Amino acid sequence: EPEVTQTPSHQVTQMGQEVILRCVPISNHLYFYWYRQILGQKVEFLVSFYNNEISEKSEIFDDQFSVERPDGSNFTLKIRSTKLEDSAMYFCASSPHGLAGAYEQYFGPGTRLTVT
Amino acid sequence: GNSVTQMEGPVTLSEEAFLTINCTYTATGYPSLFWYVQYPGEGLQLLLKATKADDKGSNKGFEATYRKETTSFHLEKGSVQVSDSAVYFCALSKPDRGSTLGRLYFGRGTQLTVWP
Repeated sequence: EPEVTQTPSHQVTQMGQEVILRCVPISNHLYFYWYRQILGQKVEFLVSFYNNEISEKSEIFDDQFSVERPDGSNFTLKIRSTKLEDSAMYFCASSPHGLAGAYEQYFGPGTRLTVT
Repeated sequence: GNSVTQMEGPVTLSEEAFLTINCTYTATGYPSLFWYVQYPGEGLQLLLKATKADDKGSNKGFEATYRKETTSFHLEKGSVQVSDSAVYFCALSKPDRGSTLGRLYFGRGTQLTVWP
């Protein structure tokens, strides 16, 4: 069964460093998302992406964040200069269709980012 | 705004016990409602969904009914198994500001542990 994959499973970085989190969505999906969950808190939406551009972003997704689909299969989240408060589990998701509620979002297993 | 409130965990039950995990939501209009489950080391998987009032979602013995009058979507299972041990997330989806990309709003998750 096709699945969303994410690498690495755990990333440790120093404050101020750049990190790139990678995701391979399901191959025929068109809509892509990033979410994150800070330990003990809710899963929060970061950004949605369609047709090579951002469709919606949350207030969390500031200028330090960017997303890219560099080669038609990978979907990346870059944090330019990490802060301690960026430590969280980051989930990638994809969907074959974006219509709210009509189609399931398929999630990857997550990347745990630890900023020291 | 849109939000989901989910009962705090952890929940610990014996096998064959009855499970209820409470979920209430705040949203304008008519959101779609979801329960996602996360097994250890895996991504979030859709467990069930309901897209309009009075709909009942069901899967793997779990059920939840979309109650607009009480803005609730409580998850129930009549007889839990050890294999049901996981984290359960309640979520809603409603387009914002013209977006149709089904951004999900999650609760904090409830850890369920079932003992034999």
